[in-house]
Amino acid sequence: DVKVTQSSRYLVKRTGEKVFLECVQDMDHENMFWYRQDPGLGLRLIYFSYDVKMKEKGDIPEGYSVSREKKERFSLILESASTNQTSMYLCASSRAGVGSPLHFGNGTRLTVT
Amino acid sequence: RKEVEQDPGPFNVPEGATVAFNCTYSNSASQSFFWYRQDCRKEPKLLMSVYSSGNEDGRFTAQLNRASQYISLLIRDSKLSDSATYLCVSYTGNQFYFGTGTSLTVIP
Repeated sequence: DVKVTQSSRYLVKRTGEKVFLECVQDMDHENMFWYRQDPGLGLRLIYFSYDVKMKEKGDIPEGYSVSREKKERFSLILESASTNQTSMYLCASSRAGVGSPLHFGNGTRLTVT
Repeated sequence: RKEVEQDPGPFNVPEGATVAFNCTYSNSASQSFFWYRQDCRKEPKLLMSVYSSGNEDGRFTAQLNRASQYISLLIRDSKLSDSATYLCVSYTGNQFYFGTGTSLTVIP
């Protein structure tokens, strides 16, 4: 079974702090994604990556950056946390190609106060 | 217009009932489709992929209608444990597009 592991289940940070969310997958998947999920808005794509050191903006990249130095690890960085970034953050990975589904980590619930 | 649209529900059905969800997609070039299940405050989990000819997995049946651009999920003999939110997902050009989910509650 694919395992996608997110480093923290719950995080509480203060406004202005730099926040790192880590994600590791163990199935040698090429693609990795970061989403946030908010009530009534569904899942929204923040950034994704198709390969090491490669990144692409999603629908809502403002206020975020990412890093993929190794194939198995994809980090999401909140440069200066704000209260409107309080959300559930979901990392996912998939094999390259049509028909390969996404596999999600168990999520990080971030609260910015 | 959203890429993928679902009726948010909620659907409240008695145990043992059959329930069906539909989901429409706007991009005729969409290549793959999936149904995910999400429990409250948990991550989405893959329920099943949707194949062109339709496919079945136990009590669950998925169908794809490319002409009308919709996919469906049928759940037979509903169990209490089927209570969850069901997300419809399409894959187009290396991107996944999610519906906002349909809430199902199975009542004893």
